[in-house]
Amino acid sequence: TQLLEQSPQFLSIQEGENLTVYCNSSSVFSSLQWYRQEPGEGPVLLVTVVTGGEVKKLKRLTFQFGDARKDSSLHITAAQPGDTGLYLCAGGWSSNTGKLIFGQGTTLQVKP
Amino acid sequence: DSGVTQTPKHLITATGQRVTLRCSPRSGDLSVYWYQQSLDQGLQFLIQYYNGEERAKGNILERFSAQQFPDLHSELNLSSLELGDSALYFCASSPRQGHIRDTQYFGPGTRLTVL
Repeated sequence: TQLLEQSPQFLSIQEGENLTVYCNSSSVFSSLQWYRQEPGEGPVLLVTVVTGGEVKKLKRLTFQFGDARKDSSLHITAAQPGDTGLYLCAGGWSSNTGKLIFGQGTTLQVKP
Repeated sequence: DSGVTQTPKHLITATGQRVTLRCSPRSGDLSVYWYQQSLDQGLQFLIQYYNGEERAKGNILERFSAQQFPDLHSELNLSSLELGDSALYFCASSPRQGHIRDTQYFGPGTRLTVL
């Protein structure tokens, strides 16, 4: 059973379009992180959100944590080919461990 | 470059064999995490060590074991290998034993192929 469901699994868009990736769960998390992974490399942390309703912006990327801390979204404005990659959400609990549960990932392709 | 190193980068072996994957965390990081990434299961947490002690366990098979040494490097041992163990194995490190705001820094991974 996948605790974190990401949608869509695949997204292919043209440069300049906007997109949103969703990360949903029936579990409450203490934190929700978004990572980006490129082929042949390990995931790289983009952002951590910890407060219900929290919104964080990273240039053209906007991250939101749901009020109930069960879901999150990643919105990219005016996507660029450099945004191409695998986007992963990961949920954590405040139990003095760093254990993370990852979603299946969203593969984004931005065509020039 | 995350500062986390993993060796080897690629490993090809046969079913039934045993292999050891090695990870050196970022300088100063006390926690090491192991993850398995496969096409069907995605990125799965296996185990965490903090300052030499096991801290958390995930979906780690009994055929797999890990340890963290006094110099903080870690090894993941995979034995009685099966075809389904073919995957990317990532190591990550973080400064503390675990905090909701902590960043985990991932290494480049070891690609294991079991034939």
